[in-house]
Amino acid sequence: AQKVTQAQTEISVVEKEDVTLDCVYETRDTTYYLFWYKQPPSGELVFLIRRNSFDEQNEISGRYSWNFQKSTSSFNFTITASQVVDSAVYFCALSEGDSGNTPLVFGKGTRLSVIA
Amino acid sequence: DSGVTQTPKHLITATGQRVTLRCSPRSGDLSVYWYQQSLDQGLQFLIQYYNGEERAKGNILERFSAQQFPDLHSELNLSSLELGDSALYFCASSSGQGVGDTQYFGPGTRLTVL
Repeated sequence: AQKVTQAQTEISVVEKEDVTLDCVYETRDTTYYLFWYKQPPSGELVFLIRRNSFDEQNEISGRYSWNFQKSTSSFNFTITASQVVDSAVYFCALSEGDSGNTPLVFGKGTRLSVIA
Repeated sequence: DSGVTQTPKHLITATGQRVTLRCSPRSGDLSVYWYQQSLDQGLQFLIQYYNGEERAKGNILERFSAQQFPDLHSELNLSSLELGDSALYFCASSSGQGVGDTQYFGPGTRLTVL
């Protein structure tokens, strides 16, 4: 069965520090998709990134970067030079299958607090 | 703005009542998903529709039902409400044309059952 584990429940950092949010997944499929979403205090879920199981290249988008390692079943998210606006709950999610679109399985989320 | 709209934004009702949550997907998206977010269960998938047909079912209670209409909007009906049904209900949509498409989420409906 598919499962996503975000072991860090809450993280608190001081502004401008770098922070890494961990995500470990379990799946028996060889084709799957990994996602990160951000939920700011206003409550909406904002899409950040999608990665398929055949693309292990790391990705960087501004201050955000993602490290996908199939060998350890991990898809970690790093924020460089954190800012107060980064304070939110971050969810890692998994979607399995090579046909059609399947529902997302979410981790429990990591609450990030960035202190000025 | 994801392009997915949900109404109402907030809903307060009493136990035993029935409510309907509405979702309009992004223009061109054929797949609609419903998720429930509660403190104890986290984000859980309820049900998925693709172009009017039910595609997948998750941990959806028998008291809950949904449908997707010809114009592709979707409604989630919750009946015989209990205190434990209080949660944030999200609708998401994806194109449905590919594989592993990104799901874009609406702003959610916060349901409070008193």
